[in-house]
Amino acid sequence: EPEVTQTPSHQVTQMGQEVILRCVPISNHLYFYWYRQILGQKVEFLVSFYNNEISEKSEIFDDQFSVERPDGSNFTLKIRSTKLEDSAMYFCASHRRVIYEQYFGPGTRLTVT
Amino acid sequence: GQQVMQIPQYQHVQEGEDFTTYCNSSTTLSNIQWYKQRPGGHPVFLIQLVKSGEVKKQKRLTFQFGEAKKNSSLHITATQTTDVGTYFCAGPSNAGGTSYGKLTFGQGTILTVHP
Repeated sequence: EPEVTQTPSHQVTQMGQEVILRCVPISNHLYFYWYRQILGQKVEFLVSFYNNEISEKSEIFDDQFSVERPDGSNFTLKIRSTKLEDSAMYFCASHRRVIYEQYFGPGTRLTVT
Repeated sequence: GQQVMQIPQYQHVQEGEDFTTYCNSSTTLSNIQWYKQRPGGHPVFLIQLVKSGEVKKQKRLTFQFGEAKKNSSLHITATQTTDVGTYFCAGPSNAGGTSYGKLTFGQGTILTVHP
């Protein structure tokens, strides 16, 4: 069964450093998302991406964040200058049709020290 | 903005007991989805409810969508240790009409099953 993959599984970085989280969505999916989950809390929407552009972003997704789909398979989330409060699990998700079940990747645990 | 509330936050049961989690949205939903997240894992889709008053069953799991399409519940009959995890409801946001499948998650109910 196809699945969403994410790399790395764990990223440790120092405050102020840039990080890039990578995702490979399921190949025939058209809608892509980044969510984050601070330990023990709910899953929070960050950004949605469709047709090679951001379709919506949350208040969390400020100028420090950016997303790209540089080729036909990868979907990346970049945080330019990490803060301590960016420490969380970041999940990539994708789906094929509008308002449809979302397939989540295994996540990248980002630890900012 | 849209808020999705879920109760209880925690539920500890003995194996064999039933379990129910409730979800309420501040706005009417076009559909509601339920996800399960095992400890250390990622959300995994369980089901989607679309129609007002809809009831769906998956083995020991029963999902309901309220008549007003603002609330939902998940009931597990005779829990097993394999049921442990966090159960999230999630509703799509229709704000602006362009948010596609953006999901607003409830806080989740953490289920612990004691053997």
